[in-house]
Amino acid sequence: GQSLEQPSEVTAVEGAIVQINCTYQTSGFYGLSWYQQHDGGAPTFLSYNALDGLEETGRFSSFLSRSDSYGYLLLQELQMKDSASYFCAVGDNAGNMLTFGGGTRLMVKP
Amino acid sequence: SQTIHQWPATLVQPVGSPLSLECTVEGTSNPNLYWYRQAAGRGLQLLFYSVGIGQISSEVPQNLSASRPQDRQFILSSKKLLLSDSGFYLCAWGENNYGYTFGSGTRLTVV
Repeated sequence: GQSLEQPSEVTAVEGAIVQINCTYQTSGFYGLSWYQQHDGGAPTFLSYNALDGLEETGRFSSFLSRSDSYGYLLLQELQMKDSASYFCAVGDNAGNMLTFGGGTRLMVKP
Repeated sequence: SQTIHQWPATLVQPVGSPLSLECTVEGTSNPNLYWYRQAAGRGLQLLFYSVGIGQISSEVPQNLSASRPQDRQFILSSKKLLLSDSGFYLCAWGENNYGYTFGSGTRLTVV
């Protein structure tokens, strides 16, 4: 089976940088992805790492280390609209399903 | 572009009543389709997934069932709802675990 751990809550100030960590235990691995969910809304896809290293998409970056079963999402130049829950997810070997972590609630303060 | 439709947005149902939630996808063929449930303030729990018409895999044995009568239609059902079935139900489609697209969700309250 798959299990993922991420902090339940993170607080940061506007304009700062925040890192949300994710560690996983899997019987198979097919990439680590990140999703953002605002209160009352559906999750939206942010980034995907299939290989080790850093992927950058605008203010957001995601990192993966497969040997450490670890990844993180880095958010730069935080804005109030970044206040949301962030979920990491891993795929199974067959490429058929994602297992999600419990989510990290990010609160951005002025 | 691909779009996913899910309805209704909210639903209040009494205990013991049946349930039918529908999800349809446009702009793609033979998609992998998923039903997830999210309890308040929690993560997403995979309930069912389907890789094709009539093919359903269940991840969590419970009071729910799923069907895929057409290529781009995925239905979540229950014959008799329980209080514990309350939650936010999300349909999604995706390929090879990359970039799932979620529907807008159905917030179900069983009373």
